[in-house]
Amino acid sequence: GENVEQHPSTLSVQEGDSAVIKCTYSDSASNYFPWYKQELGKGPQLIIDIRSNVGEKKDQRIAVTLNKTAKHFSLHITETQPEDSAVYFCAASMEYGNKLVFGAGTILRVKS
Amino acid sequence: ETGVTQSPTHLIKTRGQQVTLRCSSQSGHNTVSWYQQALGQGPQFIFQYYREEENGRGNFPPRFSGLQFPNYSSELNVNALELDDSALYLCASSWRAGEKLFFGSGTQLSVL
Repeated sequence: GENVEQHPSTLSVQEGDSAVIKCTYSDSASNYFPWYKQELGKGPQLIIDIRSNVGEKKDQRIAVTLNKTAKHFSLHITETQPEDSAVYFCAASMEYGNKLVFGAGTILRVKS
Repeated sequence: ETGVTQSPTHLIKTRGQQVTLRCSSQSGHNTVSWYQQALGQGPQFIFQYYREEENGRGNFPPRFSGLQFPNYSSELNVNALELDDSALYLCASSWRAGEKLFFGSGTQLSVL
């Protein structure tokens, strides 16, 4: 089955700097790659997603890039703010929104 | 528009007992998925319900079962609880199978 690896496990950045989180997936049949942000005591919140027919997608300070050949995708957050501090999860699916396989998460700390 | 709501928020059970967790999907959504999130890990797919039928299942034993009702709300039942069942149980809904998932805040289950 699909396996998703996520790095780094923790990331500390200074406010205003950029943050990059990387994920690799094992099954080339995966076609959907969402990113979720989870704050303490809350469920995961979808922040951006990308489908396999697109190489890059941007939404304000957040962007996701996908390299299907290398089977990896990345989350880029620019101009980080303290409220960006949370756990971020990448996921992959072979059936779009069905049966998501999640990475282990990255704890992002933005220091002010 | 109401989001995904889950009840109860916290639950303590004893090994061997049975538990029922409840989920109300986001307005207009007909698909519900359940995920288990152990401490410090990413969510793991349990199963999905679409129009009251199971529409996919992850690697969980049969003592994990579910239901979806005509109003698209859902229940997760776990029989013969084990200590390793202690986790955050997340419900997610989508407007149809294969579309973006929106998560509730979860039910924290502790098995003693």
